[in-house]
Parts: sequence; structure tokens; C-alpha cells
Amino acid sequence: EVLLVESGGGLIQPGGSLRLSCAASGIAVSTNHMVWVRQSPGEGLEWVSALYSGGGKFSADSVVGRFSISRDNSRNTLYLQLNSLKVDDTAVYYCARVSGYYGPRSFPYYFDSWGQGTLVTVSS
Amino acid sequence: QSALTQPASVSGSPGQSITISCTGASSDIPGSKSVSWYQQHPGKAPKLIFYDVSNRPSGVSSRFSVSLSGDTASLTISGLQPEDEADYYCLSYRSRPTLRYVFGTATRVTVL
Repeated sequence: EVLLVESGGGLIQPGGSLRLSCAASGIAVSTNHMVWVRQSPGEGLEWVSALYSGGGKFSADSVVGRFSISRDNSRNTLYLQLNSLKVDDTAVYYCARVSGYYGPRSFPYYFDSWGQGTLVTVSS
Repeated sequence: QSALTQPASVSGSPGQSITISCTGASSDIPGSKSVSWYQQHPGKAPKLIFYDVSNRPSGVSSRFSVSLSGDTASLTISGLQPEDEADYYCLSYRSRPTLRYVFGTATRVTVL
């Protein structure tokens, strides 16, 4: 059974930094494609960043240059470093595994295991 | 990064069938059917309920089905049940100029 557990959320002032963690069990983050998704209060889902097993990283325009995705294979943990936080970054942040064939004309495309989320509140 | 377009709300009585559309669902790779669907109950994490047009994860009710026509994917819930009341999202991706995943705008399903 795949289990993803996020942590690290909290109340932070605008301009501050935070690091979110996603501890995995049942899978190895090193050999799986992983993403972060967020959901602002009362809003829909928004993809944030992806880290592929081969090391490729992708991020939404809204967080490029501010957020950074990484992993620690020895701890089997995915991370999201949040810098220069804005009020609009207030959201529940979920990590998820991405599955699907990855080839020359295809990308993994479905998020089949999710964590329970961690809340980040950016406010002065 | 524009979201895919879904109706804001759909409602139906128990036992009825409802359909949720998702416009703009095709990725920029010709022939791709890379769309997935998620159900989210209030206060809970999203749950994958369908991917591609023929794949339903283990444990997901067979009352859920998906079709794809051109740029629009559709999720149909047959025999609507009270537990189907939730928010539903479609998801696809764009590969150019760089990879990004795009969610639909969310559909609130209400069981009357």
C-alpha cells in the first residue's frame, strides 16, 4: 500500500520561506514520478511542481523562481521549498505520485496516490 | 496556464445519470488520450477515479465511465448515489514549451 504523509505547513509571513516534506512508504520516491498540487481555500486544484524519477523538474509559471522541488532518496522523502511566499500561496499542499507511460511522445499523466495534505497560511 | 473548462455544477436525483464535460482536455500530443478524473469530498484529498478512456482503478464503482470526443472529455455517473456528491476534476497536460499539468475548473455534483 502506498502511503504519502505531508508535513511542514504552518503560518508564515509574506516574504518568508518554508519547506514541505512528503514522506513515502510503499514506494520509492527515487523510482517514481512525483508532484505537488495545491488548493487554496474554497478553490480548485492547481498543479505546482513535478519531479520525475530521472531527475527532470517542472514547475507552474506561478511558482517558477520561488519554489523548488527535490527529494532525499535515503529518507524516501519528497520536498517542496517555498521561498518569497505571497498571500496567494495560502493553500493546502498535497504530494502525489504520477503514473503512466513516459516515452518520446507521452508523459505520465494520472495522479494515483495522494497524501492528506498540509496547510500553508501566508499572512501578516 | 489556463485551466480546462468544466461546468460549475451538475445535479441529479438518486438513480439518474449525469455527465460532466471537460473542454480543452486534449494534450498537445496528437492522438493522446491522457485525461484523468478525480473525486474530492469536502476536507479530503482528491481520489483518482478514471484515467484514459478505459481505465478505472481498483475499488472505483463501475457506475463511472468516460468518453472522449475531439477536445472534450466527459465523465458519466450512472445510477447516482448520495455518496457521489462531491467535487470532480479532470486533468491533462501540455508538453510545449515545457511540461505542465492542467486541472479542470471543478464541478460540484449535488444529489437532490
